[in-house]
Amino acid sequence: KQEVTQIPAALSVPEGENLVLNCSFTDSAIYNLQWFRQDPGKGLTSLLLIQSSQREQTSGRLNASLDKSSGRSTLYIAASQPGDSATYLCAVVDYGGATNKLIFGTGTLLAVQP
Amino acid sequence: DGGITQSPKYLFRKEGQNVTLSCEQNLNHDAMYWYRQDPGQGLRLIYYSQIVNDFQKGDIAEGYSVSREKKESFPLTVTSAQKNPTAFYLCASADAPIPYDGYTFGSGTRLTVV
Repeated sequence: KQEVTQIPAALSVPEGENLVLNCSFTDSAIYNLQWFRQDPGKGLTSLLLIQSSQREQTSGRLNASLDKSSGRSTLYIAASQPGDSATYLCAVVDYGGATNKLIFGTGTLLAVQP
Repeated sequence: DGGITQSPKYLFRKEGQNVTLSCEQNLNHDAMYWYRQDPGQGLRLIYYSQIVNDFQKGDIAEGYSVSREKKESFPLTVTSAQKNPTAFYLCASADAPIPYDGYTFGSGTRLTVV
């Protein structure tokens, strides 16, 4: 059974710092991995999608990498800003069984201090 | 712009009442999903549908019902059999059978029992 874990569970950094969020998964048989952001009381916003054949994706100050063989992904945020404060979730699409379901990690709560 | 619309944003239910949460998408996605989110817990899958007129139970389907009469719509009914319905409900959609472009989420409905 696929399990997704995120470390750390919470992180507080001063503004301007570069930071890395970690995501690990137990089964490398995935179609893709997606990073989301969730603000309090809001829905999930997709940040980056990495297909299983890709190694990384970039969008602005965000860079996500994928190492399927080791079951790891990292989300790198450059020059963090207070507006980056949110919960970050990674999720994998697991190709097992009749349905390809999205399996979520436990999340990292990020606080960027001004 | 394509996206997912959930309504209402806030919903209050009296004991013994059934309530229906709306989810509409204009992304031409075949698959739609309902998730429940509780404080301190991850997202849990309630029901999903990969094609019109077909749907499957997720991990916590008891006390919920769905229908999929149109590709664009996947309403969720929280029945009186659901003993602890207070939660944040998220709807999502994706391509099927393989979600090549990842998942898109709505902005959520917060349900409270009064």
